[in-house]
Amino acid sequence: KAGVTQTPRYLIKTRGQQVTLSCSPISGHRSVSWYQQTPGQGLQFLFEYFSETQRNKGNFPGRFSGRQFSNSRSEMNVSTLELGDSALYLCASSWRTGMETQYFGPGTRLLVL
Amino acid sequence: AQSVSQHNHHVILSEAASLELGCNYSYGGTVNLFWYVQYPGQHLQLLLKYFSGDPLVKGIKGFEAEFIKSKFSFNLRKPSVQWSDTAEYFCAVNANGANNLFFGTGTRLTVIP
Repeated sequence: KAGVTQTPRYLIKTRGQQVTLSCSPISGHRSVSWYQQTPGQGLQFLFEYFSETQRNKGNFPGRFSGRQFSNSRSEMNVSTLELGDSALYLCASSWRTGMETQYFGPGTRLLVL
Repeated sequence: AQSVSQHNHHVILSEAASLELGCNYSYGGTVNLFWYVQYPGQHLQLLLKYFSGDPLVKGIKGFEAEFIKSKFSFNLRKPSVQWSDTAEYFCAVNANGANNLFFGTGTRLTVIP
């Protein structure tokens, strides 16, 4: 089975721009979660989508949003980028919601200049 | 506050030495516990997990962990490390029916040949 895939792998943006990241879960998995990894804050949960509905949200500003499509693929959007948004954004999938094992993708490394 | 603590930030061992990495959590209620590993340049991979049952769980590559409920701990062990175990190790918890993972700050393990 193919693993979780994320595109693009690397992105450079400037402050004020917006960015969209994409995640394709493992085949059959219907839950997709997003995490931000930075040297200072570590790994922090952004949000989870299951059956095209946001099920859970972390403590991030409204500039961070996401959505899930009927094929379980998910996108994450960050508007009005700030320098502090530079991070590795990880997507994880599980076959359902509710305390499941999550499998992670390789991440998208975002650099905001 | 709810948290996951990994007290060892950087551990340096010689090959064949024994390893124990500490993890403590402060969540009440039902918890699932995980150890993930991030090898240099690679994505987060699941090492092992505890959901219920035997508190001593075995994972991949000879790793094991013991869940001690009374101590809110889930320490990772390996009897004899190899150079290829050089990586960053993350303890994670999900709790109370939610699918979001709370991560510790990670422990960087360096194994010297």
